[in-house]
Amino acid sequence: GALVYQYPRRTICKSGTSMRMECQAVGFQATSVAWYRQSPQKTFELIALSTVNSAIKYEQNFTQEKFPISHPNLSFSSMTVLNAYLEDRGLYLCGARDVGRNSDYTFGSGTRLLVI
Amino acid sequence: QQQVRQSPQSLTVWEGETAILNCSYEDSTFNYFPWYQQFPGEGPALLISIRSVSDKKEDGRFTIFFNKREKKLSLHITDSQPGDSATYFCAARRNNYAQGLTFGLGTRVSVFP
Repeated sequence: GALVYQYPRRTICKSGTSMRMECQAVGFQATSVAWYRQSPQKTFELIALSTVNSAIKYEQNFTQEKFPISHPNLSFSSMTVLNAYLEDRGLYLCGARDVGRNSDYTFGSGTRLLVI
Repeated sequence: QQQVRQSPQSLTVWEGETAILNCSYEDSTFNYFPWYQQFPGEGPALLISIRSVSDKKEDGRFTIFFNKREKKLSLHITDSQPGDSATYFCAARRNNYAQGLTFGLGTRVSVFP
């Protein structure tokens, strides 16, 4: 079956520092990877969508300068939270799908970021 | 403005009852609607989905009813079990090449034995 692993599961970083999180797809080709942030008040905020052979598309309020994403192959993606502050706290979820098979998004368990 | 709305925010049912979760959307170009189930500490898992060409989708105890004209859908969980206690998210997207999902705020369901 299709599985998505994210690591680390949780991390703490000091305010102003950066933190990288990774996403690994197993059992399918992750032609499209969506990064979300989940917080109690804002449910799932789409940060950006990365599709092979296309530019990474960032949603309003999120930028490449703040959340650079790498999607080098069909099984891996990473995202860094640069210069993290309190408002960046939350659960960061990676969802991946095989667009060619029109499959649904499979999500990982997320990386919980705490900023102190 | 919330593009996908869910109600109620929380729902409590007894074991064996039917839980009804509601969802509505704004964007008429949305044509694919998955429901995700999320347990504490885990990521959301796809439960059931429907395309806008259908008005009903059934999978075991889970059924989606879809009303395109009113831009509403609902998830019915029949014979609810304590293991169904989770947060359920309605999501939507356009079924084309590459689209992210737009999620609602979720409905927290508690099933008491």
